[in-house]
Amino acid sequence: EPEVTQTPSHQVTQMGQEVILRCVPISNHLYFYWYRQILGQKVEFLVSFYNNEISEKSEIFDDQFSVERPDGSNFTLKIRSTKLEDSAMYFCASSEGSQGHSPLHFGNGTRLTVT
Amino acid sequence: GESVGLHLPTLSVQEGDNSIINCAYSNSASDYFIWYKQESGKGPQFIIDIRSNMDKRQGQRVTVLLNKTVKHLSLQIAATQPGDSAVYFCAENRSHKLSFGAGTTVTVRA
Repeated sequence: EPEVTQTPSHQVTQMGQEVILRCVPISNHLYFYWYRQILGQKVEFLVSFYNNEISEKSEIFDDQFSVERPDGSNFTLKIRSTKLEDSAMYFCASSEGSQGHSPLHFGNGTRLTVT
Repeated sequence: GESVGLHLPTLSVQEGDNSIINCAYSNSASDYFIWYKQESGKGPQFIIDIRSNMDKRQGQRVTVLLNKTVKHLSLQIAATQPGDSAVYFCAENRSHKLSFGAGTTVTVRA
């Protein structure tokens, strides 16, 4: 069964550094997403991406965050200047249709630890 | 027998029993709902979805019930197995974004 893959599985970085989290969505999916989950809390929406542009973003997704689909397979989340509170699990997801009509399929996440 | 959790963060169920996990949603305009299962160290795994024009949908060993009148969603798992131990989240489509609930941790007793 096709799956969403994410790398790395764990990333440790110092406060103020830039990180790039990588994802390979399911190949025939058209919609891509980033969610995050702070330890012990709910899964929170960050951003959705369709047709090479952001379609929705949350208030969490401020100017330090950016997403990119640099080629036909990868989807990345960049955090420009990490803060301690950015420590969380970051999940990439993809779907055939939009969030309101198709289930999202999630990767296993990248655990980001900011020290 | 059945083990039912009514909006509880944890549910302990005997192996072989049926489980019912409940979820309340907030937005009466939500039109699409999904149940996810999350095992330790993994991402949310799709279980089953339902649209607001339906009251019930069945999958393999799972049934989702939707009560729009009281804005309540439930997931029933038949003959619960040890592999069903996980955190279960409901998610609603709200303003074209999926909004997740807090989750119910299901522990299956042998």
